[in-house]
Amino acid sequence: DAKTTQPTSMDCAEGRAANLPCNHSTISGNEYVYWYRQIHSQGPQYIIHGLKNNETNEMASLIITEDRKSSTLILPHATLRDTAVYYCIVRPPMEYGNKLVFGAGTILRVKS
Amino acid sequence: AAGVIQSPRHLIKEKRETATLKCYPIPRHDTVYWYQQGPGQDPQFLISFYEKMQSDKGSIPDRFSAQQFSDYHSELNMSSLELGDSALYFCASSLAATVVPYEQYFGPGTRLTVT
Repeated sequence: DAKTTQPTSMDCAEGRAANLPCNHSTISGNEYVYWYRQIHSQGPQYIIHGLKNNETNEMASLIITEDRKSSTLILPHATLRDTAVYYCIVRPPMEYGNKLVFGAGTILRVKS
Repeated sequence: AAGVIQSPRHLIKEKRETATLKCYPIPRHDTVYWYQQGPGQDPQFLISFYEKMQSDKGSIPDRFSAQQFSDYHSELNMSSLELGDSALYFCASSLAATVVPYEQYFGPGTRLTVT
C-alpha cells in the first residue's frame, strides 16, 4: 500500500477554511485517494475520494496535484463539530482487497 | 438513513472469557468489515466478508473468528480474552466493489473492556 504522510495536528478558526495536506509520493496510477475522519471514539466517517480530478461534495473538496503525489482536503467553512482526526488513505485496486489501512492522521482542532 | 448497527455497545469481560460482537450492515450492503482500535491507536483491519465468504484477512488473532450470515449480519467471536484485547471494535459495511473501491460506512463501535 502506498504510504501517506500527514501533519500531526492543525488548528483552524471557526468559519474559516481548513486545508489538510497529504503526501502520497509513491502512489500508483490506479490507486485512489480517500479521506475519512473520526470524531472522538466514534466510527470513522467517509468524506470524499478521488483518482485524478478534483472532487467536491456537500462535505468537502479534494484537490489532487497533477502528478498525484499529494492532495489537499478542504473544509470550506469549518465548525467546532469538524474537530476530529482526519485520515488520508491511498487504496489499491480492487484485486488487492477493499480494506482501509489507517495511518497516522491529522488532528484538526477548530477553535472559536 | 439506516446506519450500521452494532451490539452490544459496551461489554465487560474477564480474562479467559469469550465474547461475541454483532454487526448489522446497512440494508443492501453485502460486504462487512471488522476493525480494532486500541487506546490511542488508529483503527486496524481485522477481517472482511462478502456473501458469507471471507474476502480479506488482516491482523486478526487466531483466538478470534468471524462469520457472515445469510441476512448479511456478521458476528465476531473472541475467545480466551486477554487484557490487550480491550479496544473499540468497529464494523463497517459497503456494497461489493468490482473495479472502484466503494466507501465503507462504519457503525458506532463496541467498547470491549477485559479485566
